[in-house]
Amino acid sequence: DAGVIQSPRHEVTEMGQEVTLRCKPISGHDYLFWYRQTMMRGLELLIYFNNNVPIDDSGMPEDRFSAKMPNASFSTLKIQPSEPRDSAVYFCASSPRAGGRVHFGPGTRLTVT
Amino acid sequence: DAKTTQPPSMDCAEGRAANLPCNHSTISGNEYVYWYRQIHSQGPQYIIHGLKNNETNEMASLIITEDRKSSTLILPHATLRDTAVYYCIVRVAYGDSSYKLIFGSGTRLLVRP
Repeated sequence: DAGVIQSPRHEVTEMGQEVTLRCKPISGHDYLFWYRQTMMRGLELLIYFNNNVPIDDSGMPEDRFSAKMPNASFSTLKIQPSEPRDSAVYFCASSPRAGGRVHFGPGTRLTVT
Repeated sequence: DAKTTQPPSMDCAEGRAANLPCNHSTISGNEYVYWYRQIHSQGPQYIIHGLKNNETNEMASLIITEDRKSSTLILPHATLRDTAVYYCIVRVAYGDSSYKLIFGSGTRLLVRP
């Protein structure tokens, strides 16, 4: 099992550019989560999906952020336009069912200059 | 949502037991206590979880008080590789059986040689 796969691992972009983060959950997992981690705010849940359907996006900071899950094996988190305050490590995670263990990916370190 | 309170930092000697406390005085009867840890900038790693009874696995033991208002994670023989931030989380459950893991600030454990 390859675990949760995220790409890219590092992203450096300029303010105003569009950024797309990608995630492949563990096969067979029904739940997918996007988290963001910064020194100031710690680990924050942005959005999560159940069977490809967004269940709770109350953590998405603003309209510049959007997430999709077109199928069970792929999800994207897009930021458009990006701002320096979006610099953070973004984690994708998945779990097989409600209450199951949540498995985290290695994260994408985003730097917006 | 039930909140957790953890000491910001602790240390212990290599080879000794590390006992990490957590208070969750507002926990509801059907909410589980989960423990995760994050080593350096890696994704959080599941350790253990429990509802009422004490639990043990290959990584750690979880002791939950009878009133469920607090718990202790025990690493029986801490090694240098156990140096990490440890998060105690109460799993929030919702009507559709979905749930969210909400991370607090955790305890930074330093294992000394």
